[in-house]
Amino acid sequence: AQRVTQPEKLLSVFKGAPVELKCNYSYSGSPELFWYVQYSRQRLQLLLRHISRESIKGFTADLNKGETSFHLKKPFAQEEDSAMYYCALSGLTGGGNKLTFGTGTQLKVEL
Amino acid sequence: NAGVMQNPRHLVRRRGQEARLRCSPMKGHSHVYWYRQLPEEGLKFMVYLQKENIIDESGMPKERFSAEFPKEGPSILRIQQVVRGDSAAYFCASSAGARNEQFFGPGTRLTVL
Repeated sequence: AQRVTQPEKLLSVFKGAPVELKCNYSYSGSPELFWYVQYSRQRLQLLLRHISRESIKGFTADLNKGETSFHLKKPFAQEEDSAMYYCALSGLTGGGNKLTFGTGTQLKVEL
Repeated sequence: NAGVMQNPRHLVRRRGQEARLRCSPMKGHSHVYWYRQLPEEGLKFMVYLQKENIIDESGMPKERFSAEFPKEGPSILRIQQVVRGDSAAYFCASSAGARNEQFFGPGTRLTVL
């Protein structure tokens, strides 16, 4: 069975401090990992996916297969980063791209 | 492009009634996913549909729940004889292809009294 674990329900950091949102997964095959973000009063949107290897809004995430982790990092937090962040996994099953989500981490960036 | 539309945004039903949730995918998208989010939990996959076909319904409860995506019109998630445990946020997502990015709707918050 596939599972995504986000151990922190709430993460509070000061503006300018580094951010690391933790995500661990379990999956027997080769998964695709994603980070989704939900800003206040907005809909869920894709932030980044591991196959793209991009940096979006200063955030990066590296897939570590040995540790089965996909932590989201940003060197300097900004106030506008305050949001709910969900880590998600997609298995290469037959057809479709159904996502398994973690329970989410609320990031609060304080001034 | 208005994005994925869901209606109603809020739905209140009494136990035993039926709930119908609608999802209009983005223009040009023929793949639709439904997810449910219970309080304090992450989104959980329910069903994946393409036009007129259910591709994967492995996350759907065996009874009372059904989904369709007709050739014309929105996708419908139907819950018959609702119970209090059905109270949740239901999200729809659409994509242009099976492996393409999913775009989410704003969700429908169902409350069962």
